[in-house]
Amino acid sequence: DTEVTQTPKHLVMGMTNKKSLKCEQHMGHRAMYWYKQKAKKPPELMFVYSYEKLSINESVPSRFSPECPNSSLLNLHLHALQPEDSALYLCASSQAGRSNQPQHFGDGTRLSIL
Amino acid sequence: AQRVTQPEKLLSVFKGAPVELKCNYSYSGSPELFWYVQYSRQRLQLLLRHISRESIKGFTADLNKGETSFHLKKPFAQEEDSAMYYCALLTGGGNKLTFGTGTQLKVEL
Repeated sequence: DTEVTQTPKHLVMGMTNKKSLKCEQHMGHRAMYWYKQKAKKPPELMFVYSYEKLSINESVPSRFSPECPNSSLLNLHLHALQPEDSALYLCASSQAGRSNQPQHFGDGTRLSIL
Repeated sequence: AQRVTQPEKLLSVFKGAPVELKCNYSYSGSPELFWYVQYSRQRLQLLLRHISRESIKGFTADLNKGETSFHLKKPFAQEEDSAMYYCALLTGGGNKLTFGTGTQLKVEL
C-alpha cells in the first residue's frame, strides 16, 4: 500500500460544531503532516509529527488540535472554526530521521465552514 | 528564513516546444529540493528530487547552488504535461517543506 488515505473527502460544518479529519498510511512512515491549501495557493504546513510526537506547530490556532494515536494514523480535531478556515486540508507522510525523504500526499479533505 | 520563488504563475507553450519552469530558493543551509506536480483533479505527487538526478516523464532539474536555482526543464512539451508545478524546499531536519507559489503549465496543440 503506497497511499495516504484521507476521510472524509468533503466536510461542511457550522462554526459551533466539533468534527475530526482522519489520515491513514501503511507505508511504515514515521513522520506525518497536516497542510492547509487555499484555492490557487500552495500548501502551507500546519503540524508535523515525528515518531508519534508533535515536532512542529506552525503557530496554528488552538481551534485545530492534532492527534497521532499510532504510527499509521493522524487526526485533526476541529472546534469552533471560522469561515476563513474553509480550505483543502492535506495529510502527508514520509520516512523520518533521514534527509531528502519525499512526502507522500493524500487527496485531501475539502472543508467548508458555514 | 527559507523561501522558494517561482516567478511565473502561468506558462503557456506549444506541444513539442521546450519547457523551463523557474525556481529560485533562499536558504542558509544545504538545500534539499523537490518538484511536485498536481494534475487536474489528482493529488499532489512527487515529480523529481535533486538528490536523485534522474529524469522523470522527460523532465530534469539541476541544482545550481551558485545561482540558488532548481529550474525544471523538458525538451519537448506534451499535452499531458499540462498541470500545476510546485518547487519545494525541505528544511527543519528534513521535516519542513516550503512550497513556491506554483506555476500552471498549459501545453497547447
